[in-house]
Amino acid sequence: DTAVSQTPKYLVTQMGNDKSIKCEQNLGHDTMYWYKQDSKKFLKIMFSYNNKELIINETVPNRFSPKSPDKAHLNLHINSLELGDSAVYFCASSQGLLAGQETQYFGPGTRLLVL
Amino acid sequence: GNSVTQMEGPVTLSEEAFLTINCTYTATGYPSLFWYVQYPGEGLQLLLKATKADDKGSNKGFEATYRKETTSFHLEKGSVQVSDSAVYFCALSGGYSTLTFGKGTMLLVSP
Repeated sequence: DTAVSQTPKYLVTQMGNDKSIKCEQNLGHDTMYWYKQDSKKFLKIMFSYNNKELIINETVPNRFSPKSPDKAHLNLHINSLELGDSAVYFCASSQGLLAGQETQYFGPGTRLLVL
Repeated sequence: GNSVTQMEGPVTLSEEAFLTINCTYTATGYPSLFWYVQYPGEGLQLLLKATKADDKGSNKGFEATYRKETTSFHLEKGSVQVSDSAVYFCALSGGYSTLTFGKGTMLLVSP
């Protein structure tokens, strides 16, 4: 009955590899997000989607490509992984884009370590 | 643009002490304000929120009041427990339901 789930929880990989992280929400929300949390716990939004449509695309290297096959899923694919990509990646969802719908619910995170 | 400033941590307290974590913000319009908590190894959980000036959010003994005149949303708890040890994030809402987070404040409570 997990509201926002992510897989995998841990990901250890070599520089240059390509990897994907999956996210699913069962809250019936329209909007989903990806955040990156660095080693100092700073949270930075990367992308947001609303009903499968890209809404926010912050200054993120184009090695990162989000995909939303339906509004319950938002996946993140990363090409040519670099050491600096090591971080915790959080998925989140909210009811929608309107005022009053902005409370976000977070997944447990994916801890990515690039060696 | 929007920004959130939180007090630097870690905040170290003994059990049953009074907690205040300061949060001030800069924003256009009338954002909603949030406190999220992150326990070790976990994701962020919504702790409380307030949607308009003078609203008080409360949950699990924590409280915060939306003060428009001082652009603040300080988190308080009257008596902390060891289990409250976590990182606390203040956040405000912007356009497209985005959240702008502060840098987080680590709370360490000792028995």
